[in-house]
Amino acid sequence: QKEVEQDPGPLSVPEGAIVSLNCTYSNSAFQYFMWYRQYSRKGPELLMYTYSSGNKEDGRFTAQVDKSSKYISLFIRDSQPSDSATYLCAPAPGGFKTIFGAGTRLFVKA
Amino acid sequence: GAVVSQHPSRVICKSGTSVKIECRSLDFQATTMFWYRQFPKQSLMLMATSNEGSKATYEQGVEKDKFLINHASLTLSTLTVTSAHPEDSSFYICSAPKMGDSGNTIYFGEGSWLTVV
Repeated sequence: QKEVEQDPGPLSVPEGAIVSLNCTYSNSAFQYFMWYRQYSRKGPELLMYTYSSGNKEDGRFTAQVDKSSKYISLFIRDSQPSDSATYLCAPAPGGFKTIFGAGTRLFVKA
Repeated sequence: GAVVSQHPSRVICKSGTSVKIECRSLDFQATTMFWYRQFPKQSLMLMATSNEGSKATYEQGVEKDKFLINHASLTLSTLTVTSAHPEDSSFYICSAPKMGDSGNTIYFGEGSWLTVV
């Protein structure tokens, strides 16, 4: 079993839609949960960062962590074509050794 | 602006030669840096943890004699792909954690495209 499972997609939605991206993980030691966005041929950039269970909101983005079920979600409201990218979930233990999910390719159509 | 810089951004080398990729933290010191490899349409795979002043820690399956890592200073880690082969062609990315008063953040470089011909 992989440490982090993420559906690679692709996921195609119309502009303005609410997007739901999800990951599951197996390692109970993970405490930090990050979501990265990666545009084609670029390095990943940090979108959201949460610690332990709960929700965190930042503009159009909401990250949710449910440690009891080992489930991580990222919601994008009012999606825009500029949101088209690959989204990687990345849980981490107490240090900074980040493990990445496969990444979900998102296409937002104008 | 970028806080972690990688150089070169693109490199083409001949099979059998070695190529060095640099990762620099621009405005902070990093005792630890991480090197990842990403094949097209795949996720980032952690290759090794670079430790300033000591040996790197390699992930299972990564050949330490092929991927030489040197972390000679608090702002620079280098990855040298030795005796490169076409199957080493990939996107190599480094990251470095920046400690701050409001928390710690991991920053990624822009990546380096390696093509071995």
